[in-house]
Amino acid sequence: KQEVTQIPAALSVPEGENLVLNCSFTDSAIYNLQWFRQDPGKGLTSLLLIQSSQREQTSGRLNASLDKSSGRSTLYIAASQPGDSATYLCAVREGAQKLVFGQGTRLTINP
Amino acid sequence: DTGVSQNPRHKITKRGQNVTFRCDPISEHNRLYWYRQTLGQGPEFLTYFQNEAQLEKSRLLSDRFSAERPKGSFSTLEIQRTEQGDSAMYLCASSLGGVIGTDTQYFGPGTRLTVL
Repeated sequence: KQEVTQIPAALSVPEGENLVLNCSFTDSAIYNLQWFRQDPGKGLTSLLLIQSSQREQTSGRLNASLDKSSGRSTLYIAASQPGDSATYLCAVREGAQKLVFGQGTRLTINP
Repeated sequence: DTGVSQNPRHKITKRGQNVTFRCDPISEHNRLYWYRQTLGQGPEFLTYFQNEAQLEKSRLLSDRFSAERPKGSFSTLEIQRTEQGDSAMYLCASSLGGVIGTDTQYFGPGTRLTVL
């Protein structure tokens, strides 16, 4: 059974710092990995999708990497801003249907 | 707004009542998914439709839960005889289909259910 773990569960950093969020998964037979952002009480916003054959994807200040063989992904956020405060979720795609999610990292950027 | 929409956004009901939620996917997306998210946890997969066919149901989806997607358009999720443990955010997502590796799921805002 696939298990996805995110560390740390919560992170608080000053504005302007670069930071890394971690995601690990137990079964490397995945089609892709997605990083999402979730604001309190809201739905999920897709940030980046990395195909299983790719090593990384970039969008603006965000960079996500994937090491499928070791079951790890990182989300790097450069020059953090208070608006980046949210919960960040990673999810791996198994088959045609479901995403398996981690529990998320709650990120707070302090002005 | 052409994103995934869900109605209602909030539902408060008494234990034992039936509730129904609606999801309207992004136009032309042929895959539709339902997830459930409890406080402090990541979403958990409930069920999946390819067009109008329900192709997989999680063990989380007890016989009190039923989902439909008539004509492959909108979908409904019904919970019968609600229990307090059903209190959660119910999230709907849709995707275009095609190559699984590049198929991105887009999520709606969710329906928050509170069972008293």
